[in-house]
Amino acid sequence: GAVVSQHPSWVICKSGTSVKIECRSLDFQATTMFWYRQFPKQSLMLMATSNEGSKATYEQGVEKDKFLINHASLTLSTLTVTSAHPEDSSFYICSALSPTGRGDGYTFGSGTRLTVV
Amino acid sequence: SQQGEEDPQALSIQEGENATMNCSYKTSINNLQWYRQNSGRGLVHLILIRSNEREKHSGRLRVTLDTSKKSSSLLITASRAADTASYFCATGEVGSGYSTLTFGKGTMLLVSP
Repeated sequence: GAVVSQHPSWVICKSGTSVKIECRSLDFQATTMFWYRQFPKQSLMLMATSNEGSKATYEQGVEKDKFLINHASLTLSTLTVTSAHPEDSSFYICSALSPTGRGDGYTFGSGTRLTVV
Repeated sequence: SQQGEEDPQALSIQEGENATMNCSYKTSINNLQWYRQNSGRGLVHLILIRSNEREKHSGRLRVTLDTSKKSSSLLITASRAADTASYFCATGEVGSGYSTLTFGKGTMLLVSP
């Protein structure tokens, strides 16, 4: 089946630094990928939709300059948290939509635990 | 705001018992999906039910959908300790193209041996 690899699984960084999270579709081409943020014991909040070759669409309230998304190929989307601060500490999860686009072709990565100290 | 609202927020049962989780939503949907998340991990797709379906089975899972009440339920039969996880419903809304998913708040299920 479809596999999405997310890396790193966890990262600790200092305030003010930037962190890049990668999301790769391993055995299929993903024209659309999604980035979610999840606080402890809460649900997933959609941050942005990433489309290959075009600019990402950000949800209301998400700072596009802070959360940079690049989807330069059909198998890779990256999320860069710029000038990270402790309040950015969270669990970030990506998902990819398979080309069938039938709405049930969502595969999730295993998530990245970001801790900003 | 969250589309789906699950209840209960937490459920604790013994192995062998059945677990029922409910989800309510607000807008018209194309489909409703249930996902499982083990602590600190990604999501695993369990089952999808389309808006024109009323019930669906997959192994020990049974999902129902009542579009008139805008609600769904997930039943896990003969639960096992390994079923311990958080369960989320997610809706794909009508008219949103490829249907971005909107997640509910989730139910934390604890199955004790």
